[in-house]
Amino acid sequence: SQTIHQWPATLVQPVGSPLSLECTVEGTSNPNLYWYRQAAGRGLQLLFYSVGIGQISSEVPQNLSASRPQDRQFILSSKKLLLSDSGFYLCAWSVQEETQYFGPGTRLLVL
Amino acid sequence: AQSVTQLGSHVSVSEGALVLLRCNYSSSVPPYLFWYVQYPNQGLQLLLKYTTGATLVKGINGFEAEFKKSETSFHLTKPSAHMSDAAEYFCAVSGSSGANNLFFGTGTRLTVIP
Repeated sequence: SQTIHQWPATLVQPVGSPLSLECTVEGTSNPNLYWYRQAAGRGLQLLFYSVGIGQISSEVPQNLSASRPQDRQFILSSKKLLLSDSGFYLCAWSVQEETQYFGPGTRLLVL
Repeated sequence: AQSVTQLGSHVSVSEGALVLLRCNYSSSVPPYLFWYVQYPNQGLQLLLKYTTGATLVKGINGFEAEFKKSETSFHLTKPSAHMSDAAEYFCAVSGSSGANNLFFGTGTRLTVIP
């Protein structure tokens, strides 16, 4: 069966520091991968999605970036965090039929 | 373009009462529709989905939803609420054109009163 992992589970970072969040999927090949952000009291905002290694589409311009160095690995990064980057970050995967399956999430607090 | 509107950011029901969470969608192509549930500090779990075929869809935990094209709705229901149903619920729509992207509503927080 397929599983999706995200780490860390919780992160507290100062403003201006770098960020790296990792997502990995097991049990499937060539999945589509997604990064979402969920801000307090708001819905989910799609940040990036990837249909293959090295292929990244950005949905919202911001100071975040994403990379997919391996088939089942998706990384969310920032060179300098802003206060507004605080939120709950969710990674998801899908294949073909468009049902997306979500990871446990990473809670990021920028101080 | 696709979008979702969830009416009511907060819904409270008594334990044992009917649960009704509303979702209306807009889609330029035949929609795929989804309901997800999120428990505190956890990821989203798929409750049910509609793609094609039968318009009444049954999901996990006793939930079901009915796709009504004429009303552009996909409301989520459960006949009898349980305390464990307290969570946030998200409706989402994607296009069947293969875009593979979901558009989420802003969510409805369900409170179950004992």
